[in-house]
Amino acid sequence: GQSLEQPSEVTAVEGAIVQINCTYQTSGFYGLSWYQQHDGGAPTFLSYNALDGLEETGRFSSFLSRSDSYGYLLLQELQMKDSASYFCAVDTLQGGKLIFGQGTELSVKP
Amino acid sequence: SQTIHQWPATLVQPVGSPLSLECTVEGTSNPNLYWYRQAAGRGLQLLFYSVGIGQISSEVPQNLSASRPQDRQFILSSKKLLLSDSGFYLCAWSAGQGREKLFFGSGTQLSVL
Repeated sequence: GQSLEQPSEVTAVEGAIVQINCTYQTSGFYGLSWYQQHDGGAPTFLSYNALDGLEETGRFSSFLSRSDSYGYLLLQELQMKDSASYFCAVDTLQGGKLIFGQGTELSVKP
Repeated sequence: SQTIHQWPATLVQPVGSPLSLECTVEGTSNPNLYWYRQAAGRGLQLLFYSVGIGQISSEVPQNLSASRPQDRQFILSSKKLLLSDSGFYLCAWSAGQGREKLFFGSGTQLSVL
């Protein structure tokens, strides 16, 4: 089967750094994506890793280790508006199939 | 620029009634199109995806079907809704070889009563 594991919820304070992990087991792998979803809204794309290493986009960074089937999203200088659900997703290269994890709900406290 | 339209935003339907949700994309050609469903507080479950007109792949056996009558139109249908069909339905598109980046519509909250 195919599965993605990420923590169900994380809590942090404003200004802090938080890391959301994702481990995956899929029958094919092309890359790992991260999406943010606020309550009642649609998911929006944050980052994508196809190669090992760290990708940085402003306050957000994403890391991938293909050999460990593992990645993480790092959020720095947390703001209240970062409170949302974060999903990792694997592109399995199977004709367009993108598989999502169950999501991590991040709560940022003052 | 590319945009994706999905409607309606909310829908309340009785059990056994039919369903038709429509999604259209503007500003791009030959997109990959997707239908996802999200239960409350849960992840996104891929229902259908399409890489071209008339080409539909179904991910899970279910009470739903999808069609792509035009390049940038994707329709989700059911002949008879079940209670378990309730959820947040999201349409999405990606560029042909850019599956890593999906653009989602605003979603349809479907309640089957």
